[in-house]
This record gives sequence, structure tokens and C-alpha cells, in this order.
Amino acid sequence: AQKVTQAQTEISVVEKEDVTLDCVYETRDTTYYLFWYKQPPSGELVFLIRRNSFDEQNEISGRYSWNFQKSTSSFNFTITASQVVDSAVYFCALRPTQGAQKLVFGQGTRLTINP
Amino acid sequence: NAGVMQNPRHLVRRRGQEARLRCSPMKGHSHVYWYRQLPEEGLKFMVYLQKENIIDESGMPKERFSAEFPKEGPSILRIQQVVRGDSAAYFCASSPVVFRTGGHGYTFGSGTRLTVV
Repeated sequence: AQKVTQAQTEISVVEKEDVTLDCVYETRDTTYYLFWYKQPPSGELVFLIRRNSFDEQNEISGRYSWNFQKSTSSFNFTITASQVVDSAVYFCALRPTQGAQKLVFGQGTRLTINP
Repeated sequence: NAGVMQNPRHLVRRRGQEARLRCSPMKGHSHVYWYRQLPEEGLKFMVYLQKENIIDESGMPKERFSAEFPKEGPSILRIQQVVRGDSAAYFCASSPVVFRTGGHGYTFGSGTRLTVV
């Protein structure tokens, strides 16, 4: 069975602080995809990143960075110099590369950036 | 190139009525997925369809819920005799057969917010 755990239910920081959202996953598949999505107050799902399990390089996109550690089954997301517009619920998700095509989502982390 | 289109955005139904949620996948995508998000929770998989075929319905409630993706037209998620517990956001996603390098993989619609009164 597959499982994604986002242990942090809510995080609140002051603007310009750095913040890391944790994601730990469980899977028996040898290859899989990991995803992060943002859900702003308006409710839609915004794609942030898709990572294949064989690619363990960390990735940076502007103020966003992702740390993939296969040894600890973690795929953490860091926002540097946070802004109020980063306030949203963030979801981590998992799907095997082969076989079942459904995404398994974590419970989400509600991030609030205070001015 | 329009993304995944879901309608309606908001739907209010009285208990016992039927709810029909529509999803038009992204152009070129042949796979459709429905997810449900209960208030303050993550998204839960419901069903995965290809044209005229249900591939995986392991997340669908056994009663009152059905889904289809006909040869022509949008995918439909149908909830019969709605109850208050069906109130949720229902998201549709589509994907191509094979994930392209650098692509999103899945494209999500904006969701339909169903409220049962």
C-alpha cells in the first residue's frame, strides 16, 4: 500500500522567513513519481513539481526548492523568503511509474504567512 | 489550449436530489480521474476512466455514485440521492497516456463545490 504523510497540519510564519514543509512517503514500488501541489484560498490546485524517483537531484525554482532523500523516503519543500501570497494549503502526492495510475495525497499543510 | 474544464463551479442540491458533475479533459489527454476533497482534508481518489472504460473505481462509494466517460462528450460523475455527507469539492484531472519529460503529468480542473442542503 502507498501512503503519504505530511505531519505538519498548520504552519504560521512571518513574512520573509524561510519555511520547510515535510513530506514522508511509503511505497513498495521501485519507481514512482512524487508531486507537490499548492491550493490557494480560491480552491484550485496548482502544480508545483513532479519528480521521478530515479532522479535524486535537488531542484530549485526561484524561491522554491525541493529536497528528495530516497534513503529516508522524504520529499521536503522549502520556501525561501516567504511572502503573503505563499499562504495556501500544500499537498504532497505519490504515484507509481507503472501500474496503478491514481495519485495518493497527503493530508496537506496549511501555510500562513503573516505580514 | 484550454485546460481541464469542470462545470458547474458550484452546485447546490437538496437532500435526495441528483448531482451531475462534468469534466472535459485537456486536449490530447485520454485519461480522466475524479478526486473528492472533504472539508479540511486531502484529496481522495475516486475513479479512473479512459474513453468508454472504467479502469479503476476502487475509491468510489459502493452506492449512489457512478462515473462515465463516453466516446463523445465530457466525463460525468453522478451522485444519486445526495446526502449532507456528499458535500465536498470534486476535482477532475486528466493526463496523457505517457508522461512527457518536464511536463506536469496531470492537469487538474478548478473543481466543483457541491453543497447539499
